[in-house]
Amino acid sequence: SQQGEEDPQALSIQEGENATMNCSYKTSINNLQWYRQNSGRGLVHLILIRSNEREKHSGRLRVTLDTSKKSSSLLITASRAADTASYFCATVANQAGTALIFGKGTTLSVSS
Amino acid sequence: ETGVTQSPTHLIKTRGQQVTLRCSSQSGHNTVSWYQQALGQGPQFIFQYYREEENGRGNFPPRFSGLQFPNYSSELNVNALELDDSALYLCASSFLDRRSEAFFGQGTRLTVV
Repeated sequence: SQQGEEDPQALSIQEGENATMNCSYKTSINNLQWYRQNSGRGLVHLILIRSNEREKHSGRLRVTLDTSKKSSSLLITASRAADTASYFCATVANQAGTALIFGKGTTLSVSS
Repeated sequence: ETGVTQSPTHLIKTRGQQVTLRCSSQSGHNTVSWYQQALGQGPQFIFQYYREEENGRGNFPPRFSGLQFPNYSSELNVNALELDDSALYLCASSFLDRRSEAFFGQGTRLTVV
């Protein structure tokens, strides 16, 4: 079963604009991670934020985490055509194991 | 390049057949996880192996089984294939640490006809 939901399901923007994707989840987590997937191939890890962190930056990426609302957002600034991909949030539960529980993803299309 | 290699990249099987998918983990990683991704969906956790033992399993029937070898490579076996097993199968290697990122292979696209 999916842990959470990304919102929106699809997003189309112009190069240079910012893209914001949101993720909601259901259970207590140890950390939340964002992954990128190009054209139905392998996933690439983007950023990890721990449950005791509220915000994290990596290059053009900014991630926030609100554990009280069980939600996270991924902001990509100054988007490029190469950012076109599907983006997934994934949570690691507190209870057991290290399995990643993914949402359904947001498909981002950046046009030049 | 993540250093995780999966084979084959594509294959087509007939309903009722059995299939074996293979994964070579990134050097140094001791944990491998398998995921199934149906079209338009997020990956779903099948199971995880740590030091050759199953270390967690998702909501998949017993006809999905796996192995991890001493060199940390891994196999996913699916028996009695069903049409709904058509999906992208992803292997991820990592350390057994919740704070560890996972490195994914490019996946095997399985089509069951």
